[in-house]
Amino acid sequence: DIQMTQSPSPLSASVGDRVTITCQASQDISNSLNWYQQTPGKAPKLLIFDASNLESGVPSRFSGSGSGTDFTLTISNLQPEDIATYYCHQYANLPPAFGPGTRVDFK
Amino acid sequence: QVNLVESGGGVVQPGRSGRLSCTPSGFTSGFSFSNHGMHWVRQAPGKGLEWVAVISYDGSKTYYAESVKGRFTISRDNSKNTLFLQMNNLRVEDTAVYYCAKDFHTYKGGIDYWGQGTLVTVSS
Repeated sequence: DIQMTQSPSPLSASVGDRVTITCQASQDISNSLNWYQQTPGKAPKLLIFDASNLESGVPSRFSGSGSGTDFTLTISNLQPEDIATYYCHQYANLPPAFGPGTRVDFK
Repeated sequence: QVNLVESGGGVVQPGRSGRLSCTPSGFTSGFSFSNHGMHWVRQAPGKGLEWVAVISYDGSKTYYAESVKGRFTISRDNSKNTLFLQMNNLRVEDTAVYYCAKDFHTYKGGIDYWGQGTLVTVSS
């Protein structure tokens, strides 16, 4: 099974900061990776699909990159509403797997 | 936009069974339930997301997490646009919010839309 790791967690930042979250797969998954945002008490929301494609309606300050085993999610100008936990998710192989999550909060 | 609604959560005693359902609700532009794989994903209180099971668009293929294999069964009724999760021999560690989620494609395409979740509490 493919294992997913994320760093850092937690991540403390300020409004306006550029924030980068990394995700690593235990084996090559090409670009079969999604990023989700989850706020407390809510369902996850898709931000990025296929590693680098912005989901419709998601602000352009979110971006994704990477392929193979190493991936990043970047928030270019952190806003108060971005305080959440972020998960990466591989779907290259069964079983699909989520990373442990990165909680982003304010300093 | 796709709106998925789960039902069937509640309090269950260890060793007993339960069944969850999920159906699209309201306006679901461009979403044909029978054309997409569907997943169950759970989240224990204060913990991360754990993938549980997937079923192909036509129900012919299923796959399970090791933690539920042999105890849980995923199924679907495309004539009623409904996804199910039959949970047998429930354990305390199965306590979680259970989300149904839509696959991008027919089976292994990743998840795009999620339901709001239903809480299953396994406790005596």
